Amino acid sequence: EVQLVESGGGLVQPGGSLRLSCAASGFTFSDFSIHWVRQAPGKRLEYVSAIGDDGLIYYATSVEGRFTISRDNSKNTVYLQMGSLRLEDMGVYYCAREAGGWSEFDCWGRGTLVTVSS
Amino acid sequence: VVLTQSPGTLSLSPGERATLSCRASQTVTSNLLAWYQQKPGQAPRLLMYGASSRATGIPDRFSGSGSGTDFTLTISRLEPEDFAVYYCQRYGSSRYTFGQGTKLEIK
Repeated sequence: EVQLVESGGGLVQPGGSLRLSCAASGFTFSDFSIHWVRQAPGKRLEYVSAIGDDGLIYYATSVEGRFTISRDNSKNTVYLQMGSLRLEDMGVYYCAREAGGWSEFDCWGRGTLVTVSS
Repeated sequence: VVLTQSPGTLSLSPGERATLSCRASQTVTSNLLAWYQQKPGQAPRLLMYGASSRATGIPDRFSGSGSGTDFTLTISRLEPEDFAVYYCQRYGSSRYTFGQGTKLEIK
């Protein structure tokens, strides 16, 4: 079964840092691009970042320079290092598998909650 | 590209037909548009891709259509489990954006 499991969320103060993980199973991880999407409470889905199977990286303007995405194919895991966190970064962070070739997301994790508060 | 979904909320009864709209501020090339369903407390689920192709396991009461800037998701006969929030998404060449969602609620 294809599965993605996020972890690492929690409570952090404004300006703080947090590292999220997305652990994959049930498919050949190295063949797929993985994306991060977030959702503030009651708000729409917002695209955050992506790392391709070839290592190509993309960030939304709102997080560029503050977030760093990486992957460890030996551990079937993608990481999202988040720094200089702001109140507007709060929400549920989902990782999602891309079907291929900058296409749709065919599998999502259940998400991990990031709370930014003093 | 900005995606605008309408209506914001749609109130219908089981058995009725639902029509959800997604309008793009610029042409969506190659119909690279997807639809997702999200239920409370759950992750989104892929319904449609390429504007009109159903994802694996999606019932045929779901259909997608449209091209250019105007896209539609139709649910032919609503089942109780279809009441949820629906998002459209533009994708392709690292350009990913989501609409604001349409909430489909039981009337």
